[in-house]
Amino acid sequence: DIQLTQSPSFLSASVGDRVTISCRASQGISNYLAWYHQKPGKAPKLLIYGASTLESGVPSRFSGSGSGTEFTLTISSLQPEDFATYYCQQVDSYPLTFGGGTKVEIK
Amino acid sequence: EVQLVESGGGLVQPGGSLTLSCAASGFTFSDHYMDWVRQAPGKGLEWVGRTRNKAKSYTTEYAAAVKGRFTVSRDESRNSLYLQMNSLKTEDTAVYYCARAAVRGSGRPDFDYWGQGTRVTVSS
Repeated sequence: DIQLTQSPSFLSASVGDRVTISCRASQGISNYLAWYHQKPGKAPKLLIYGASTLESGVPSRFSGSGSGTEFTLTISSLQPEDFATYYCQQVDSYPLTFGGGTKVEIK
Repeated sequence: EVQLVESGGGLVQPGGSLTLSCAASGFTFSDHYMDWVRQAPGKGLEWVGRTRNKAKSYTTEYAAAVKGRFTVSRDESRNSLYLQMNSLKTEDTAVYYCARAAVRGSGRPDFDYWGQGTRVTVSS
């Protein structure tokens, strides 16, 4: 199975900060990686697919990069509605797997 | 508007069975792979299983933790997805989400729409 390791697991930041979350795959997955965020009590929401393609309707302050085993999600200027838990997911092979999550909280 | 509405969750004893449903609307159901994802209390997301679309003969895939106990199926006439869960264990306690897999040229779709989730508690 492909393991996804996210770092950090917890992040404290202020509105307006630039935030970067990393996701490392245990083996190469080309660009078959998606990013989601999830607010408490709500379903996850797709932000990025194909490692770097912004999902329709998602603000442009979100961006994704990487290929192979190293991936990054960047929020260029953190907004109040961005405080949530972020997950990466590999869709390269079965079983599909998610990273452990990164909780972004208000400093 | 795409909508996914799960139902069927509840309290069940270890060893028992439960069937979850997910009613889909607002899109051509037969075009999409459909998945189940769960989230144990205070934990992260865990993929459970998938049924592919009509073009791929509705074939299925499962996570090792549920293979042989859970069955993913779909009813195109009702635009519904199901998760039959047998031999339930306490570790199956979670919120279960149905998710629509996007149609991507890569053939490796992510999940572009999710339901609100239904809670399953396995306890004596």
